[in-house]
Amino acid sequence: DIQMTQSPSSVSASVGDRVTITCRASQGISTWLAWYQQKPGKAPNLLIYAASSLQSGVPSRFSGSGSGTDFTLTISSLQPEDFATYYCRQAYTFPLDFGGGTKVEIK
Amino acid sequence: EVQLVESGGGLVQPGGSLRLSCAASGFTFSTYEMNWVRQAPGKRLEWVSYMSSSGSNKHYADSVKGRFTISRDNAKNSLYLQMNSLRVEDTAVYYCARGGAVAASNWFDPWGQGTLVTVSS
Repeated sequence: DIQMTQSPSSVSASVGDRVTITCRASQGISTWLAWYQQKPGKAPNLLIYAASSLQSGVPSRFSGSGSGTDFTLTISSLQPEDFATYYCRQAYTFPLDFGGGTKVEIK
Repeated sequence: EVQLVESGGGLVQPGGSLRLSCAASGFTFSTYEMNWVRQAPGKRLEWVSYMSSSGSNKHYADSVKGRFTISRDNAKNSLYLQMNSLRVEDTAVYYCARGGAVAASNWFDPWGQGTLVTVSS
C-alpha cells in the first residue's frame, strides 16, 4: 500500500498569510494526487486534482504542485472561509488512501 | 444540480448488519465510477470501496474486505454498501463520492452529506 504523509498536522495562521501544506507519498505516484478541504460537520470538497489542476469553482488563491512523491498545496492569501482541515489523497492505485490531514487554525 | 444523498445509517450491535444507500441525481449515474469513504469521529478520511460504472470492477479496503459488499443499480441511480459482521471500529460517518466518467479520473467529486453508523452494544 502507498502511505500518504502530510505535514504539518496543524498550522496557525492569520488572514492574508501564505500557507503551504506538504504531502509525501511512500512511492512514486506521478501526478495522481488530489487535495480536499473539509469544514467541521461537512463533507469534503475537491480543491485540486491531478496534483495541480484547479477544480471548477475553487478560488484561484489555491494552487497545487509536485509530482512523484512530493506535493504541496498553497493558499496564497488566507481568507476567513479557508480555516478548515485539508487532506491529500493518492489516486494512483488501490487502496486510495488519504493523508492524515492538516488543520488550518486562526492565529 | 449534481447531488448524492446517503441513507440507512443508524445504531447497530457488534456483529450486526446494515445496508447503506446513496441516491444520485443530476447526472448520468450509469456512466460514473462510485466510491464509499468513511470518517471515524475525530479521525482521518478512509477510503472504503470502489465500483466501476458497469459494476464489473470492485475494490475494497483491507479493513472491510470479506465483510462489506458494494453494489449499484443503474436503473435506480443508486449505490449501496452492505455491511455485515460490524465491529465497534466501523463506527463512522459514511460518505458516497462520485468518481470519473472516464478511466483514470476517480477524483471524488462531489460527495454526499454522509450517514452516521454507530456500532455499539
